[in-house]
Amino acid sequence: NAGVTQTPKFQVLKTGQSMTLQCAQDMNHEYMSWYRQDPGMGLRLIHYSVGAGITDQGEVPNGYNVSRSTTEDFPLRLLSAAPSQTSVYFCASSYSYNSGANVLTFGAGSRLTVL
Amino acid sequence: GQQVMQIPQYQHVQEGEDFTTYCNSSTTLSNIQWYKQRPGGHPVFLIQLVKSGEVKKQKRLTFQFGEAKKNSSLHITATQTTDVGTYFCVGSQGNLIFGKGTKLSVKP
Repeated sequence: NAGVTQTPKFQVLKTGQSMTLQCAQDMNHEYMSWYRQDPGMGLRLIHYSVGAGITDQGEVPNGYNVSRSTTEDFPLRLLSAAPSQTSVYFCASSYSYNSGANVLTFGAGSRLTVL
Repeated sequence: GQQVMQIPQYQHVQEGEDFTTYCNSSTTLSNIQWYKQRPGGHPVFLIQLVKSGEVKKQKRLTFQFGEAKKNSSLHITATQTTDVGTYFCVGSQGNLIFGKGTKLSVKP
């Protein structure tokens, strides 16, 4: 049981490049989400999904795209990387979005640097 | 908007001293969760509190949920160097509302 798997762990991009952060979970969780973590800012929600085919914006969605074609996978796409997107990104999933079943399991994180 | 304020932002303690972090919500919560993130690591779930006035213990860690379900605390008795990390709360009210965390450092 791998839990939540994120790749890559580290990535360096140049301004304007695009890339995709991969996230996969094998727990049959309905809810998946992406966060970015910056010093002093805590975890901020980028996008989330409550099930396959359904996505919605979080607190800081600009510059990012997501899709949820399967229950297992929830990739995060950076369309045109900017230095402000330098951060640590975490994918997290939970059984459900509903209270009582919304304990999050986090991936190991992806550290992204944009030059 | 909905907020969960967490204090203090940083806490430096001598090994063996106690530590407490507090979370306060502007609105009533359905439940509150606590997570620990070791330096360089990812958040790991510690516990979930659901009932008004609930108190739960995990070895040296004591978690409380206020009577009004708007505040919560995590208390660590006799800290050890293994307790180092950031502790943050997550309030649930339909959506999840994250506290910014308390970074704990422990001096041996």
